[in-house]
Amino acid sequence: GEDVEQSLFLSVREGDSSVINCTYTDSSSTYLYWYKQEPGAGLQLLTYIFSNMDMKQDQRLTVLLNKKDKHLSLRIADTQTGDSAIYFCAESAYDKIIFGKGTRLHILP
Amino acid sequence: DGGITQSPKYLFRKEGQNVTLSCEQNLNHDAMYWYRQDPGQGLRLIYYSQIVNDFQKGDIAEGYSVSREKKESFPLTVTSAQKNPTAFYLCASKTSRRPDTQYFGPGTRLTVL
Repeated sequence: GEDVEQSLFLSVREGDSSVINCTYTDSSSTYLYWYKQEPGAGLQLLTYIFSNMDMKQDQRLTVLLNKKDKHLSLRIADTQTGDSAIYFCAESAYDKIIFGKGTRLHILP
Repeated sequence: DGGITQSPKYLFRKEGQNVTLSCEQNLNHDAMYWYRQDPGQGLRLIYYSQIVNDFQKGDIAEGYSVSREKKESFPLTVTSAQKNPTAFYLCASKTSRRPDTQYFGPGTRLTVL
């Protein structure tokens, strides 16, 4: 079945780049997503990538997709305190979207 | 403004009582979803509905029920059969156009005393 794996925690110094990694299992997924969740709130779509793309850049966010290894990453440049949140990787799967357990990003001063 | 609303934000209930969580969307999305979130567990799918008057069980449907009488509304009832109902509940809807992205409501935190 489908599964999405990501590490649970990441600590980064303010101003550095953050890289959050994810692996997925369903090679037929059409889209892969990154969502952000701030404390006590719902999930907010950050960005998505179509499965036939290798890279997508959107301001401070860069998504890299290695389809051969089924590996997805999200790079946040110049990490700020407002980036502190849980980041979810997700893959499309027919009538559902499969989410990872989320990576909690902690910003060090 | 288009979006998804969930009410209330916080809900307290006594053990043994059924409780209904509201979810409304004005995005004209056909599909709607309910998730449960516990600390460190990520999102777990409870029920989902692709179209009015039809819905399917997700991974943890036991102790929950839903209805989908209108396109805009997908209420979730947490019944007394749910053994550990205290959690954060998230509703989402999904467009059928590409990319088929899910959009989330702000969530309801249910505490059973």
